[in-house]
Amino acid sequence: NAGVTQTPKFRILKIGQSMTLQCTQDMNHNYMYWYRQDPGMGLKLIYYSVGAGITDKGEVPNGYNVSRSTTEDFPLRLELAAPSQTSVYFCASSRDRSDYEQYFGPGTRLTVT
Amino acid sequence: GEDVEQSLFLSVREGDSSVINCTYTDSSSTYLYWYKQEPGAGLQLLTYIFSNMDMKQDQRLTVLLNKKDKHLSLRIADTQTGDSAIYFCAESPMDSSYKLIFGSGTRLLVRP
Repeated sequence: NAGVTQTPKFRILKIGQSMTLQCTQDMNHNYMYWYRQDPGMGLKLIYYSVGAGITDKGEVPNGYNVSRSTTEDFPLRLELAAPSQTSVYFCASSRDRSDYEQYFGPGTRLTVT
Repeated sequence: GEDVEQSLFLSVREGDSSVINCTYTDSSSTYLYWYKQEPGAGLQLLTYIFSNMDMKQDQRLTVLLNKKDKHLSLRIADTQTGDSAIYFCAESPMDSSYKLIFGSGTRLLVRP
């Protein structure tokens, strides 16, 4: 199993550009999550999904969109990138609501200039 | 409200014990976790403790939970240079146990 994979690893965007961060998991997990980690801070939940076709907002959803058309994939879309979205983005998954462990991808480092 | 706080930095000598502390505010939390993040990598679950437990031991790791003071600690015995990483405390609220609230992380530096 590859676990949770994310692409790209690094990206530099200009203000106003858009991009999609990809996340795929091969563990057949129902729950998937997107977090951002700002320097010196803990992770903040952006969006999460409890299954294909179902998504919901986390703590910091503004400026982002998600979709979940399959169990495996959970892309995060940034529209009109802003410097405040400079961060490291982590995707994670867990089996279901009773599963105490979340499995994290290696992260995408995004800089918006 | 939900908030998790940790000290930012800890430096220890190889072979010594490390103790990383965390305080949380949500008394309804079901599980409390310790995650480890190595440079350039994602977070990896180290250990967890259920809220009705006081202590959990797993090889070199000991987790202590003081529910009255809402204080969680992680003790690493015989700390090795490979333990150098950022350690995150996290809690999961009872009403949404799959959501994690993270602290800002404690950077552990192990000196040879």
